This record gives sequence, structure tokens and C-alpha cells, in this order.
Amino acid sequence: IAGITQAPTSQILAAGRRMTLRCTQDMRHNAMYWYRQDLGLGLRLIHYSNTAGTTGKGEVPDGYSVSRANTDDFPLTLASAVPSQTSVYFCASRRDSYMNTEAFFGQGTRLTVV
Amino acid sequence: KNEVEQSPQNLTAQEGEFITINCSYSVGISALHWLQQHPGGGIVSLFMLSSGKKKHGRLIATINIQEKHSSLHITASHPRDSAVYICAAHPNTGNQFYFGTGTSLTVIP
Repeated sequence: IAGITQAPTSQILAAGRRMTLRCTQDMRHNAMYWYRQDLGLGLRLIHYSNTAGTTGKGEVPDGYSVSRANTDDFPLTLASAVPSQTSVYFCASRRDSYMNTEAFFGQGTRLTVV
Repeated sequence: KNEVEQSPQNLTAQEGEFITINCSYSVGISALHWLQQHPGGGIVSLFMLSSGKKKHGRLIATINIQEKHSSLHITASHPRDSAVYICAAHPNTGNQFYFGTGTSLTVIP
């Protein structure tokens, strides 16, 4: 099924643990994004990648890292989770970053850090 | 300062009512997106527009570039329209979206 897939759908994580949120798309989109969604703050960009092999920092990158080894995958890693990273995380993709193209979103990962 | 402002934040309507959600933005944009998020669900793109008006079923989106304003209308609203509607502006420079904080719509049968 064409689209964008995130895993896991939800996770409870102990503070201090390392965690990788997975994101895979099969649409051959060049641009991919990670957002966190918090009540009252809306969607905020964590990191982005305009094309395989490149990444950039968004609005709230601290405590997170990403990699883009290939076109399809864009994992988000929390090196040492803290309770303030409790949020819903959305991965998104677009065909290209510089064109007016539709954005596709994953189903989200609900992360609770305790 | 929010580059994108939505109103209202919350909206309750009776089934069948005509609904309007507004979005104002302060940056120059190349496109404006409307997104829908059902409770506990993922985010779906409804419209992407850079001028004029688009229609899909009972949903209509309009944009006025000069006034930096967009509206999302729902005709003959239905309980299944209950969701959060998010406006996202794609600026002329840079490649990242500015998001509104969303409008939570509840349609009562």
C-alpha cells in the first residue's frame, strides 16, 4: 500500500533510554519531515531532509537526531529521553521541498516518557 | 509571534449547518494547505491552493492572496466531519511549513 508508515504507534519509555522512531515511505518522495504535536502548540518541526543524504534542523531539534541514508527511510532518534519529549510524533513527506506539492503524513507515534 | 492564525479554536455545530474556518497568515506564501486530523488519528491533506477556490465534495477552500486569508467551508455538516482542521502555509522562501494551532470541530447529530 503506497504511503507513509510510522512505527511504533505508541510507546512508553523510561527517562534516559534511547529510542528510535521509524518512518518509511514508498512514494519516492525527496523531502521528509519529523514533527511533534503538543496541545496548544500545534505541529512543530524537529528535523527535515530535502533529499537522501542531507538533513537539517527545524524549530525544536534539541534532544533529537535524524539520518537519511536512502530515499525511503527517515528515522528519528532520541538519544536520552526526557519527560518533556512526551508528545505525538508525525513523519511527513513531499515529492520535493521546493515545489508546491501535497504533504503526506504518517499515522503518528504517541510517545510517553516516564 | 505566530505566522499562521486560525479561528475559531473550537467550534460546535448542529448536523446540516454550514461551517467556516478561517486562516490568516503574515508571510508571503507559495501555497496554503488545509489538513484534517480525526481524534486519535493521523493527518490527511484536504487541499493545497495558491489562488482562488477548490472544491471536493462538501468541502470548499478559498484563498485571497492580497488579504493573506484562507477559509475552509463545510456544507451540510455531518458528525463524521468532527475533527481538528489545520491550516499550513508554505512560505515563498525556505521549505518548511508554518502551521496554525488547529480548529477543533464537533458536529452534533
